[in-house]
Order: sequence, then C-alpha cells, then structure tokens
Amino acid sequence: DTGVSQDPRHKITKRGQNVTFRCDPISEHNRLYWYRQTLGQGPEFLTYFQNEAQLEKSRLLSDRFSAERPKGSFSTLEIQRTEQGDSAMYLCASSTTSGTSYEQYFGPGTRLTVT
Amino acid sequence: DQQVKQNSPSLSVQEGRISILNCDYTNSMFDYFLWYKKYPAEGPTFLISISSIKDKNEDGRFTVFLNKSAKHLSLHIVPSQPGDSAVYFCAAGSNDYKLSFGAGTTVTVRA
Repeated sequence: DTGVSQDPRHKITKRGQNVTFRCDPISEHNRLYWYRQTLGQGPEFLTYFQNEAQLEKSRLLSDRFSAERPKGSFSTLEIQRTEQGDSAMYLCASSTTSGTSYEQYFGPGTRLTVT
Repeated sequence: DQQVKQNSPSLSVQEGRISILNCDYTNSMFDYFLWYKKYPAEGPTFLISISSIKDKNEDGRFTVFLNKSAKHLSLHIVPSQPGDSAVYFCAAGSNDYKLSFGAGTTVTVRA
C-alpha cells in the first residue's frame, strides 16, 4: 500500500494526559502536513514540513503541541496536557514538490477523544 | 477568518442527474483550487483541481469551473451515482502550500 498511513486510528485519553500520533507519508513525497478537523468543519492547517524542516506553524498550534519529522520520513504530533477542546480528527497529508502538482494526499486520520 | 466558504451544507439529487456544488473564496492570492470527497471514518480523497490560470478542468464525470472575477468555483458531477454520496470539500492554496478548506457540502444521491 503506497498511501498515507496514520497510527493510531482512534485514541481516547483523560484530560491532562499526553498523546502522540504517527504519520507515514507516501514514500516519494517530501512535504508533510498536519490538519485538524472538528465536527461540521473542514480541515484546518496546523503545520507542515519540507523534508525534516518544519516550515510553518499555525497559530492554532499552541505550546502544548509539537511536531517532528526527524529523518524527513515519518512524522509525529504530540499533544501535552490534553484538554477537552483538543478532541478532533487529526489528519496527515503529503505532497511532492516535483512538477506542477500541488495536490495533497490525506491519510485516514486519528480521532482523538479527551474525556 | 473563513477564506473559503461552502454556503450549502447539503444537497440531494436524483441518480443520473447533475450535482452542482458551489464554493466562494475571499483571498485573491489563492492560485490553485481543489475538491476533495470524504466518506465517514476516512480521510479526504482528492478528486480534481484547477489552476487559477484556467477556467475549466474536466476529469471523467467531474468538471470544475473557476470564475476568478467572482471568486467562485463550482464542481459538476454528471451523471450522479449512489457512490457519490459523501461530503465534498472545496480547498484553496497558494505558494505557502497550506490548504484552506470550506466547511463541506453533504451530497445524497437518491435512487
């Protein structure tokens, strides 16, 4: 399977706990993005990487959120001291810089529920 | 602020007829636009895109029209099929690569 994969698919955690999500992009894609989607809304941009460099972070990404892409391959998104407002679907996408293609390809998402 | 808007939260269409989904944007710096389809419990799936230098792009049953002066785009699906029932998102981007999405339109295709 050459699509974007995310793990876990579902996570239930208690308020105040830390959680970490993983994203494996399409292998030849050098850009990787994180988005958050809440009920009834479209995905909202959080951050993106080109290779291992984190090039932009949304102001939605509070200090409790951190993302890494250590070797320019998979990425992790960590949320510290989770709050109920963090409950959402966290989506990862990847794209390539080659040619004129600008489509982003999404993974299945990780649904986070904070109780 | 919401830079991409889909003002119709839902659309019901009979199988075989045309589905028309609309999207408006406010940021004149957007230079490409995309439509995604999403089934429950899955991530968005890319459908079709259009560059700001074009006014139409067609791929099989899907056609996207762009009206830059009105900052409006639409997706036409002809003919509509039951498998087209899903949530459709309009998205827009520029050279900063992040996408701005609308809130989605839920399409139901009736047999």
